[in-house]
Amino acid sequence: NAGVTQTPKFQVLKTGQSMTLQCAQDMNHNSMYWYRQDPGMGLRLIYYSASEGTTDKGEVPNGYNVSRLNKREFSLRLESAAPSQTSVYFCASSRSDPGANVLTFGAGSRLTVL
Amino acid sequence: RKEVEQDPGPFNVPEGATVAFNCTYSNSASQSFFWYRQDCRKEPKLLMSVYSSGNEDGRFTAQLNRASQYISLLIRDSKLSDSATYLCVVSNDYKLSFGAGTTVTVRA
Repeated sequence: NAGVTQTPKFQVLKTGQSMTLQCAQDMNHNSMYWYRQDPGMGLRLIYYSASEGTTDKGEVPNGYNVSRLNKREFSLRLESAAPSQTSVYFCASSRSDPGANVLTFGAGSRLTVL
Repeated sequence: RKEVEQDPGPFNVPEGATVAFNCTYSNSASQSFFWYRQDCRKEPKLLMSVYSSGNEDGRFTAQLNRASQYISLLIRDSKLSDSATYLCVVSNDYKLSFGAGTTVTVRA
């Protein structure tokens, strides 16, 4: 049981380049999330998808887009990377509303934008 | 003001000691509360939910004080393997708010 799988684990980009972070879960969860974690700050929600076919902005959506490709997969795209997007990105999933259920996180993707 | 605030520590304790720390939250309508554990350069993992009456899970005890809007975590008989960052998480409807974490280091 793999849980939540994220790729890539590490990526270095130059300012202005684009990339997509991939996330897949095999737990049949309805809800999926993208967070970023920066030193000294709590995890901040970028986007979430409560169910297949829906996506909503979180706390820090600017500069990002997402696609809920199917129930299993939720991708995060940076169209034009900026140094401020240097961070660790975590994908997570839950059965439904996270207030009622717990989040299962992927191992993280460390992104550096030069 | 941050929605969830934690003392970053680090709390440096010897094996076998008891360590406790709090987390304060600003939204009085918050409904659910959790402690997550995050090891260095790893993903957060659920340690325990926090219930209104307080709850224990082995050596870990969590308490909720709604009147003063804080939750606490106490670790008894600390082990080297308890060294980690502990994240306080507070939920209001669909929205989860994460604290920046409290770092605990247990030394031999």
